[in-house]
Amino acid sequence: QQQVKQSPQSLIVQKGGISIINCAYENTAFDYFPWYQQFPGKGPALLIAIRPDVSEKKEGRFTISFNKSAKQFSLHIMDSQPGDSATYFCAARGTSGSRLTFGEGTQLTVNP
Amino acid sequence: DTAVSQTPKYLVTQMGNDKSIKCEQNLGHDTMYWYKQDSKKFLKIMFSYNNKELIINETVPNRFSPKSPDKAHLNLHINSLELGDSAVYFCASSHRDSYGYTFGSGTRLTVV
Repeated sequence: QQQVKQSPQSLIVQKGGISIINCAYENTAFDYFPWYQQFPGKGPALLIAIRPDVSEKKEGRFTISFNKSAKQFSLHIMDSQPGDSATYFCAARGTSGSRLTFGEGTQLTVNP
Repeated sequence: DTAVSQTPKYLVTQMGNDKSIKCEQNLGHDTMYWYKQDSKKFLKIMFSYNNKELIINETVPNRFSPKSPDKAHLNLHINSLELGDSAVYFCASSHRDSYGYTFGSGTRLTVV
């Protein structure tokens, strides 16, 4: 059972454009929603995270938008750069344990 | 450097062999995990240990056996390797009561 669904699978954006990746979850017990960035040959690294008591969190060019009623959250990358080219994973974690459930990943390519 | 370290980084072996992957973290975390990343980049949790106690044991073949000699180490032993075991295996750690995971760089296992 896939509890966190992510789209699109792949995304190509021009340098300077906005990249948007979407996730939807099913489990209302989730209370922490991070985004991870993974470069080839490396492990996923925490990029930005949000709790459901806020609707938006911004860190530099990266913004998470959160819609609790729709059970959806998204990552926006403003002014996308070639160095942002990586695989992005959304994830969710519930209060009952330490398990992080990941989305399927989005391969982002930013063309120069 | 504070980190999650995995060895080896690459492992090529024949079907039927037994192999181990080692993981160590010096972050002072009390919880460690093994994740499997398949060819489609999907990250799936396999096991989790908290202070040497197994707390998550997903549906994986019993050919996979984790061992945690102390809270800073979590090893993964795989018996009778099969072609389908080929994947990248990631170790991660966190504090049980916090949410951030730190991942290692992964071990790419290729079974031939």
